[in-house]
Amino acid sequence: EDKVVQSPLSLVVHEGDTVTLNCSYEVTNFRSLLWYKQEKKAPTFLFMLTSSGIEKKSGRLSSILDKKELFSILNITATQTGDSAVYLCAVSGGSQGNLIFGKGTKLSVKP
Amino acid sequence: GAVVSQHPSWVICKSGTSVKIECRSLDFQATTMFWYRQFPKQSLMLMATSNEGSKATYEQGVEKDKFLINHASLTLSTLTVTSAHPEDSSFYICSARLAGRYEQYFGPGTRLTVT
Repeated sequence: EDKVVQSPLSLVVHEGDTVTLNCSYEVTNFRSLLWYKQEKKAPTFLFMLTSSGIEKKSGRLSSILDKKELFSILNITATQTGDSAVYLCAVSGGSQGNLIFGKGTKLSVKP
Repeated sequence: GAVVSQHPSWVICKSGTSVKIECRSLDFQATTMFWYRQFPKQSLMLMATSNEGSKATYEQGVEKDKFLINHASLTLSTLTVTSAHPEDSSFYICSARLAGRYEQYFGPGTRLTVT
């Protein structure tokens, strides 16, 4: 059965800390891995990763994929209270390329 | 770019009535749209996948007669919850995907409360 596992499930840090969120997967017909940020409403797209070892970066956020070890990490440096959210990892796979979501990591950044 | 809207953003209805939720891709044509539901503190669960002009594909355990999906155009998909019950209360989110792409763009979601 296809699955995506995120860790930790929740994390509390202080402003300025650096955090690393983990996502491992076992998915047939892997196509891509995506990271989303979900605050109070629907998820917003952060990154899509298809190739191993190529870091994607957007401001203080960065992510990398390891297709050999079947995992990805999302790094957030110099965290701010506005980074508080649930971060979802999803993998596009299966016969239709649908997204399989992990349970998410709830990040709380304290001032 | 890649903006998806949903309407309504929240709705309260009585048990036994039907509710229609619309999902629109505003600035792109979405060949495929997806409907998810999310219970509090849980991840998104895919309900069904719809391709424009064809019948929706429902995930196991989702009743197709209860959750009617219509994808009449490349920019609009609708989800109708028929004969709603309190256990159907949830957050319903749609997403849209361009042809040949993997990433999905999500609408803002619809909070349904059935009393």
